[in-house]
Amino acid sequence: GNSVTQMEGPVTLSEEAFLTINCTYTATGYPSLFWYVQYPGEGLQLLLKATKADDKGSNKGFEATYRKETTSFHLEKGSVQVSDSAVYFCALSDQSSGNTGKLIFGQGTTLQVKP
Amino acid sequence: EAGVVQSPRYKIIEKKQPVAFWCNPISGHNTLYWYRQNLGQGPELLIRYENEEAVDDSQLPKDRFSAERLKGVDSTLKIQPAELGDSAVYLCASSLGPYRGNEQFFGPGTRLTVL
Repeated sequence: GNSVTQMEGPVTLSEEAFLTINCTYTATGYPSLFWYVQYPGEGLQLLLKATKADDKGSNKGFEATYRKETTSFHLEKGSVQVSDSAVYFCALSDQSSGNTGKLIFGQGTTLQVKP
Repeated sequence: EAGVVQSPRYKIIEKKQPVAFWCNPISGHNTLYWYRQNLGQGPELLIRYENEEAVDDSQLPKDRFSAERLKGVDSTLKIQPAELGDSAVYLCASSLGPYRGNEQFFGPGTRLTVL
């Protein structure tokens, strides 16, 4: 079945460091791919998305490119801030029959940014 | 614009007791989802509604879980009786429709602890 695998955390960085959180997926068809972020005590928020191969999603300095050849959607940011500390979830939308719109999530990666 | 509202935010019960969670989606969102998020994991879909119809409940443990969405707006998820393994965060999300690119907006969740 469809699945998402993320790099294990926690990831600990100093402020202004470069961030990469790896995400790979297994899916039939052509899923859409998402990154959601969960700040402490809050619900999940959509960070960015890409709906077809080679699309680049971007928001708040974060970027991710839909790579069909490597089935990857790695999250990157050039310079992290303390306020980016959160749990990041990679997800895909299930494309199998009868499951349109269902999100399948990775296990989440905790990011800790130190000043 | 108000986001997805859930209540209660926290619930502690003893095993074998019943419990119910309530969700009010964003106005105009026809699609409503209930997810369960175990500690250290990503959310997993329990049930999806299109208006008042449950169109994907394959992951809902029907022996003890039930859900309803009367009038296609608010929704209630019930567990009866609760078991220790039901301790988790229960998330409600809504979207304009089930299409794969549509953003799902999440509520803050209800953290359930079963003693």
